[in-house]
Amino acid sequence: EPEVTQTPSHQVTQMGQEVILRCVPISNHLYFYWYRQILGQKVEFLVSFYNNEISEKSEIFDDQFSVERPDGSNFTLKIRSTKLEDSAMYFCASSLDRVDYGYTFGSGTRLTVV
Amino acid sequence: RKEVEQDPGPFNVPEGATVAFNCTYSNSASQSFFWYRQDCRKEPKLLMSVYSSGNEDGRFTAQLNRASQYISLLIRDSKLSDSATYLCVVNRGYSTLTFGKGTMLLVSP
Repeated sequence: EPEVTQTPSHQVTQMGQEVILRCVPISNHLYFYWYRQILGQKVEFLVSFYNNEISEKSEIFDDQFSVERPDGSNFTLKIRSTKLEDSAMYFCASSLDRVDYGYTFGSGTRLTVV
Repeated sequence: RKEVEQDPGPFNVPEGATVAFNCTYSNSASQSFFWYRQDCRKEPKLLMSVYSSGNEDGRFTAQLNRASQYISLLIRDSKLSDSATYLCVVNRGYSTLTFGKGTMLLVSP
């Protein structure tokens, strides 16, 4: 079964440092997403990406965040200057067609900011 | 009113029991509805989409009532492997999903 791959599985970083979370979506999917889940809380939308540009973003996705699809396979989330409250599980997801059929999520990157 | 609200749980049931999860959503313009399952510290996995006519997949039955903005999931003959958190999920916009906080299910022998 095709899967979404995320690396690293766990990243520890110091407050103020930049981090890049990497994702390889399913190859024929067209829509890409980042969600996050703070421990004990619900999964929250960050950003969606289609046709090489951001299609939607949430209020969480401020100027500290950026996304990029640098080549035909990778999809990255960059946090420029991490804060303690950025500590969360970050999930990448992809879908073939908008939201109608649900997404496939990657196994996540646990980001710990110290 | 929260965008997607679920029973707080947890639900503790014995193997073989039938368990029902309830969910309400606030956005009447929502068009797509799902139940996801999330194991502890893992990614959400799509369990089933929910259609207006109701739909069934083995031991799982989902219902949607658009008038009352209510979604349900029924699990029959619970297995130990059904222990997980069940997430009610609704589309928020063109391509985004809004998740409920989830209801934890613990199935015991």
